Amino acid sequence: NAGVMQNPRHLVRRRGQEARLRCSPMKGHSHVYWYRQLPEEGLKFMVYLQKENIIDESGMPKERFSAEFPKEGPSILRIQQVVRGDSAAYFCASSEASGSRNYGYTFGSGTRLTVV
Amino acid sequence: GIQVEQSPPDLILQEGANSTLRCNFSDSVNNLQWFHQNPWGQLINLFYIPSGTKQNGRLSATTVATERYSLLYISSSQTTDSGVYFCAVLQGTGGFKTIFGAGTRLFVKA
Repeated sequence: NAGVMQNPRHLVRRRGQEARLRCSPMKGHSHVYWYRQLPEEGLKFMVYLQKENIIDESGMPKERFSAEFPKEGPSILRIQQVVRGDSAAYFCASSEASGSRNYGYTFGSGTRLTVV
Repeated sequence: GIQVEQSPPDLILQEGANSTLRCNFSDSVNNLQWFHQNPWGQLINLFYIPSGTKQNGRLSATTVATERYSLLYISSSQTTDSGVYFCAVLQGTGGFKTIFGAGTRLFVKA
C-alpha cells in the first residue's frame, strides 16, 4: 500500500522558468494539502483541495502559484516564473476526510525545489 | 489563528539520555500529531494523539487537551533520533488546516 507519492524528489530551475510538482495521494484518500517549508523553518499551509475543487488557498501567494487536483491523475502545484525565494521543500499530505477527530494526515517525502 | 509553540528549540543529548519535548497550543484542537523530520528531510508520523497517552517503543506522547499542551518523551536516545521534531495541530470545529510548530532540533551525540 503505497503512501503519498511526490515527484520529482529534487527539482532545479533557473529564474523565470516554471516548476511543476506532483502529488499522488494514498489510495482511498480524496483530500490533498500542500505545505511549504523554507530552510530552517516549520511547514506552512498553502492550499487544500478535493477532487476538482480548491477548498482553501489562503496560504498560496496571490501570483505565480496555482494548484489543481483533477478527476484523474495527481495533484499538481505549479509555480510560474520562479524566483530564488521560491527555493524550499514542498510537501503534500493526504487524508480520508477533513475536520474530523478520527483522521490524521500522511505526508509525502517532499519535493526540494532549488532556483538558481 | 491558533498558535503552536514548541520547546526547547534546540536540544543536544548524549546517547542513552532521556528527554521531554513540549508543545503548547493556544486554542482547542481536533487532533494533534507529532512528526520526526530526519536529516534527509523525510517527515515521519510518530503519533496521532488528540488526547491521552500513547507509547511506541522508546517514544511516548501525552496530550492534555484541556490544558492545551502535549509532551513527547524520548527514552534511551540513539543517534538515529537526531532530526527535527514537529508538533502539528488541526484547528477546532470545522478546521482543516494543520498548523505546525517551529520544531525542536535534536542532536544525539555518540
